[in-house]
Formats: sequence, structure tokens, C-alpha cells
Amino acid sequence: SQTIHQWPATLVQPVGSPLSLECTVEGTSNPNLYWYRQAAGRGLQLLFYSIGIGQISSEVPQNLSASRPQDRQFILSSKKLLLSDSGFYLCAWSGTPVNEKLFFGSGTQLSVL
Amino acid sequence: GNSVTQMEGPVTLSEEAFLTINCTYTATGYPSLFWYVQYPGEGLQLLLKATKADDKGSNKGFEATYRKETTSFHLEKGSVQVSDSAVYFCALSERGYQKVTFGTGTKLQVIP
Repeated sequence: SQTIHQWPATLVQPVGSPLSLECTVEGTSNPNLYWYRQAAGRGLQLLFYSIGIGQISSEVPQNLSASRPQDRQFILSSKKLLLSDSGFYLCAWSGTPVNEKLFFGSGTQLSVL
Repeated sequence: GNSVTQMEGPVTLSEEAFLTINCTYTATGYPSLFWYVQYPGEGLQLLLKATKADDKGSNKGFEATYRKETTSFHLEKGSVQVSDSAVYFCALSERGYQKVTFGTGTKLQVIP
């Protein structure tokens, strides 16, 4: 069966520090991969998605970047965190086509202080 | 572009009360519609879905009907339980697109 792993679960970082969140999927190949952010009172915002290795689509211009170095690995990064980067980050995957179901990881609560 | 509008929360109900959470959408084509649920401290999980007009999705006592004429997909449950307390997200995806668009979520609190 397919599983999705996301870590760390909680992260507290100072303003200006770098960020690296990792997400891996097991039990499937060539998944679509997604990074969402859930900020307090603002719902779920799509940040990046990828339909293949090295293929990244950015939905919101900002301080963050994403990479997909392997088929089932998706990384969210920042060189310098801002206070506004605080939030709950969710990784998700889907098969193709996407209009079936998204499978979410358990999320990372990021606090930038 | 596509968008999903949900009723604002939080919604507070007593146990065994009837639940309705409104959801309307805007899409250029014929989307699939979803309700996802997020329990405290967890990621989202699919609750139910409908892929074409007049389809009814159902799961765990929750139901939603795809209404193309009103572009709506309202979530209902006849008798809520304390364990239903969570955040509920309405969402859509269109065939041929690799994205799912979510609403802002509605927090439901059920009190004994």
C-alpha cells in the first residue's frame, strides 16, 4: 500500500534561517506531488506541484522554492525565512489523473520567531 | 480561474443536531468535487467525492450532492457526534489539470 512521510512534525526557526522540509512517498511510481500551506484563518493554499522529476510549478511567488530530485521525493526550501512563512505545511500526492483523490502527509507545524 | 467558496465558521452544534456546510464553486469545465476532513493536528483525508452532475457522495453518515445548476456541493449530516469535530474543506479539480483547489475550510465543533 502507498504511504507518505513528511518530516519534521514541528519546527521552530529564527527569522533569516534556512528551511528544508522533506516529503517521500512509498508504494507508487510517478506520483503528482504537492506542497500546501495552511496559515491561521486562511485555508489551504497550493504552493508548488510537480508532475515529474525536476518539473516544478509554482503557484504563489514568494520566499520559498521546491525541488524533486527523485521520483518520490519532494523538498520545500527557503534560504531565509520570514515571519510570514509560519504555518502548517502539508505534502500530498496523487495518481494521474488528479481528479480522483489526494493523499496527505501529517504536516509540519513551522513557527518562525 | 477555478475557485471554491465555503461558509465561514466556526460552526458549533450540539450532539445529534443536523449539519449543513455550504459550498459553491466556479469552474470553466466539468470538475470533480470533494469534501476533505482534517482532525486536530493531522493532515487532510478524503471524506467523499462526486464526479458528475447529480452524483451523491456519501461516507460516515455525511452526504453531498453535485448540483450543476446551482454550482453547489453542500455537506450534510443528519445527526452529528462529538467525534465529527474537525475542519471540513470543499475542493474541486478539473479533468486535464493537475491541481486541486480548496476552499478556506469550515471548523465544526460538536458539544455534548
